[in-house]
Amino acid sequence: QVQLQQWGAGLLKPSETLSLTCDVYGGSFSGYYWGWIRQSPGTGLEWIGEINHSGSTNYKSSLRSRVTMSIDTSKSQFSLKLTSVTAADTAIYFCARNKITLGRPWDSWGQGTLVTVSP
Amino acid sequence: DIQMTQSPSSLSASIGDRVTITCRTSQSIDTYLNWYQQKPGKAPNLLIYAASSLQSGVPSRFSGSGSGTDFTLTISSLQPEDFATYYCQQSYRSPRTFGHGTKVEIK
Repeated sequence: QVQLQQWGAGLLKPSETLSLTCDVYGGSFSGYYWGWIRQSPGTGLEWIGEINHSGSTNYKSSLRSRVTMSIDTSKSQFSLKLTSVTAADTAIYFCARNKITLGRPWDSWGQGTLVTVSP
Repeated sequence: DIQMTQSPSSLSASIGDRVTITCRTSQSIDTYLNWYQQKPGKAPNLLIYAASSLQSGVPSRFSGSGSGTDFTLTISSLQPEDFATYYCQQSYRSPRTFGHGTKVEIK
C-alpha cells in the first residue's frame, strides 16, 4: 500500500518560490506519473502537472513558465517548485500518484499542504 | 481546456436513498472519467476510474456509467459515511480538469 507524505513551507511572501516535496513509501515509481494538484475555494481542484520516473514532464500551460517538477527515485521522492508566487497561488497543494491505466486516475494522494501567500 | 459540468452542485438526501450525480464534458473523452470523494480536511479519494471501474476497497454501492460526454455516479443506498463532496475528473487530454463538485448533505 503506497503512502505519500508531503512537506514544505506553508507561508510565503509575494515573489518568493514555493517548494514542496513528496516522499513515496511502499511503491514503485515505474508505471506511474507523479503529480501536483491544488485546491482553493475560488478555483476548485486544479491540476498543476505531472512527471514520470524518467523525468518526462507535463505542465498546465498557464503555469508552465513558473513550474518545475523533479523526481529522485533513489530517494523515493518528487518535488514541485513554483516561482514568483502571488496571492492567487494560495491553496492547499496535494501530491498524488497517477496510474497509467484506463482512465489515468489519481489513485493515491498526500495529506495536503496549505500554502498561504501574504505580504 | 475540457470543461466539466457537474450537477447538482449540492443535494440533500436521507440514509438509504439512491443518489445520482451527473458530469457532462465539453467534448468527448471516451471513458477517461474518474470520480472522487472528498471529506473536509482530507485529500480526495478515488472511487471510480475509467467511468465504470470500481477502485479496490470501495464499497459496491458506488457505481459509475457513461462514455463520450455524459457520465453518472450512483450511490445505491446512501450511508452515513457517504456525506461528502464528489468530484468528476477527466484524463483524456491535458490539462486534466475537475468538476466543481457535488456536496451531498443529510436531509
